[in-house]
Amino acid sequence: ELKVEQNPLFLSMQEGKNYTIYCNYSTTSDRLYWYRQDPGKSLESLFVLLSNGAVKQEGRLMASLDTKARLSTLHITAAVHDLSATYFCAGTRYTGNQFYFGTGTSLTVIP
Amino acid sequence: AAGVIQSPRHLIKEKRETATLKCYPIPRHDTVYWYQQGPGQDPQFLISFYEKMQSDKGSIPDRFSAQQFSDYHSELNMSSLELGDSALYFCASSGENSPLHFGNGTRLTVT
Repeated sequence: ELKVEQNPLFLSMQEGKNYTIYCNYSTTSDRLYWYRQDPGKSLESLFVLLSNGAVKQEGRLMASLDTKARLSTLHITAAVHDLSATYFCAGTRYTGNQFYFGTGTSLTVIP
Repeated sequence: AAGVIQSPRHLIKEKRETATLKCYPIPRHDTVYWYQQGPGQDPQFLISFYEKMQSDKGSIPDRFSAQQFSDYHSELNMSSLELGDSALYFCASSGENSPLHFGNGTRLTVT
């Protein structure tokens, strides 16, 4: 089983500030995903990271993957209130189709 | 673009009743997943199907069963419902090298 841990679990930040969410996973994962979830809503795919050193950016969010360290990061630049949501990372194994989710990071951006 | 369609959106059942949730995956996606998400929790993998065959099994209770039909839609059957089964149930589908695409979920309330 692939264990995925995120930190922090809760993050409160002011608008305009930068912060990073960390995602560690326990064993080799062939790809890493980031999702966003608004309360009571579905999970929206943000990024798919397929290889070591992969970096993807969309707006104020940037995700990266270091497979040697088994670490992915989601960096938030100049946060705005609309980014308030829960962010999940998830990994898959080379065998099987199961996606393993982290515990999620609940982000609140304060005006 | 077509998304994953789940029905019903909301369902209220009493203890010991039975519930059936339906999921229509994105066309040409070969894998369907079911997840359960309790309040403030990360999605917990229940079961998945690849090309209509069960491929992985997670923390699905014996009271639950699922199948995927010839038209690729899937159903999650839940019997002898318990209060603790109240949760959001997500169906997701994926194709080769694609992230999970989640449906809008079914909110099940057991009273």
